[in-house]
Amino acid sequence: KNEVEQSPQNLTAQEGEFITINCSYSVGISALHWLQQHPGGGIVSLFMLSSGKKKHGRLIATINIQEKHSSLHITASHPRDSAVYICAVKGGGGSQGNLIFGKGTKLSVKP
Amino acid sequence: DGGITQSPKYLFRKEGQNVTLSCEQNLNHDAMYWYRQDPGQGLRLIYYSQIVNDFQKGDIAEGYSVSREKKESFPLTVTSAQKNPTAFYLCASSTYAPGQLGSGANVLTFGAGSRLTVL
Repeated sequence: KNEVEQSPQNLTAQEGEFITINCSYSVGISALHWLQQHPGGGIVSLFMLSSGKKKHGRLIATINIQEKHSSLHITASHPRDSAVYICAVKGGGGSQGNLIFGKGTKLSVKP
Repeated sequence: DGGITQSPKYLFRKEGQNVTLSCEQNLNHDAMYWYRQDPGQGLRLIYYSQIVNDFQKGDIAEGYSVSREKKESFPLTVTSAQKNPTAFYLCASSTYAPGQLGSGANVLTFGAGSRLTVL
């Protein structure tokens, strides 16, 4: 079983829809990242969470440490949101080298 | 603007050749990382460096080598010993403060990636 599981693997939505991408993990963590990878391959860091909720524009990320679960929400989705969204968790140790990545959720938003 | 520059964006290599991928950052970040991405898999860590003149193996270091002679630069060499080098390679950097045990990780900044194809 992978230590970081994302669902769904693929998601197609109509423009304007509310979107939720889920991430479950099985290890103790000190932080969780949500990343966005565009078709060209470049990755942008969207959020880094250790508790609660963060909001940036139309994006909202939540984390429940007890349930080992995080969600990324996109409100009023737009075709430019089409990308692969990746969840990554950092273990509780001090090393920065121990990020564990999910396989990503491919989102396609149709006009 | 600050950021990470990876080059080349696309690279073709014949079997048996070593190739070096460049990664330069002007963010004054202490830590730098190399990841490999294959279709259907999550990113996997090849090497990382938390400070100049020091680096650590990641999960899949075999067949790769790195150096960290300057804070800004962390080149990755894909050697002929790497059995399946065709992949997308991503460089990243972050701030690093030893002693932040248990605290939140610092924000990662990624380069645009380098796609290596072995012919």
